[in-house]
Amino acid sequence: NAGVTQTPKFQVLKTGQSMTLQCAQDMNHNSMYWYRQDPGMGLRLIYYSASEGTTDKGEVPNGYNVSRLNKREFSLRLESAAPSQTSVYFCASILSGSRQETQYFGPGTRLLVL
Amino acid sequence: GENVEQHPSTLSVQEGDSAVIKCTYSDSASNYFPWYKQELGKRPQLIIDIRSNVGEKKDQRIAVTLNKTAKHFSLHITETQPEDSAVYFCAASLETSGSRLTFGEGTQLTVNP
Repeated sequence: NAGVTQTPKFQVLKTGQSMTLQCAQDMNHNSMYWYRQDPGMGLRLIYYSASEGTTDKGEVPNGYNVSRLNKREFSLRLESAAPSQTSVYFCASILSGSRQETQYFGPGTRLLVL
Repeated sequence: GENVEQHPSTLSVQEGDSAVIKCTYSDSASNYFPWYKQELGKRPQLIIDIRSNVGEKKDQRIAVTLNKTAKHFSLHITETQPEDSAVYFCAASLETSGSRLTFGEGTQLTVNP
């Protein structure tokens, strides 16, 4: 049981390049989330997926797209990276509706956009 | 939407002292309040949570209190140890399917030996 996994762990991009961050969970959770974490600003929600087949914008969705590929996988895409997207990205998942609302986080992806 | 404010942003204590971190929230409908600990370079991990039908919850040296009327909740760590040094985040949500957590900005706790 690996929990929540993310790839890659670290990535350097040039401005304008695109990339996809991958997230997978093996806990049969139905809701998944993407956050970014910047120094002194806590965790801000980018997009989330309440269940397979649905996605919704969070607090800071501009410049990102997501795909809920199946129940296990939720990817985050940067179509044209900008230096302002330099951050640490965390994926999280939760078994919604079970009264066990603990969000389990992945190890994070550190992204540097030059 | 929900707004969570967390204070202080930094807290330094001597080993063995107590530490208190406070959060306020804006949405009176919120009913789930977790606290996360994040060590340097690691992922956030849940340390304790409380629901709105409970006023206080304790787990060994960690306790959380909730005042729904005033819309604030606090984390209390007693007998602090150097390994308690980390960033602590509070959060609030309405506990429904696909619930969204809104996080505070974090408190950097340093426990000096």
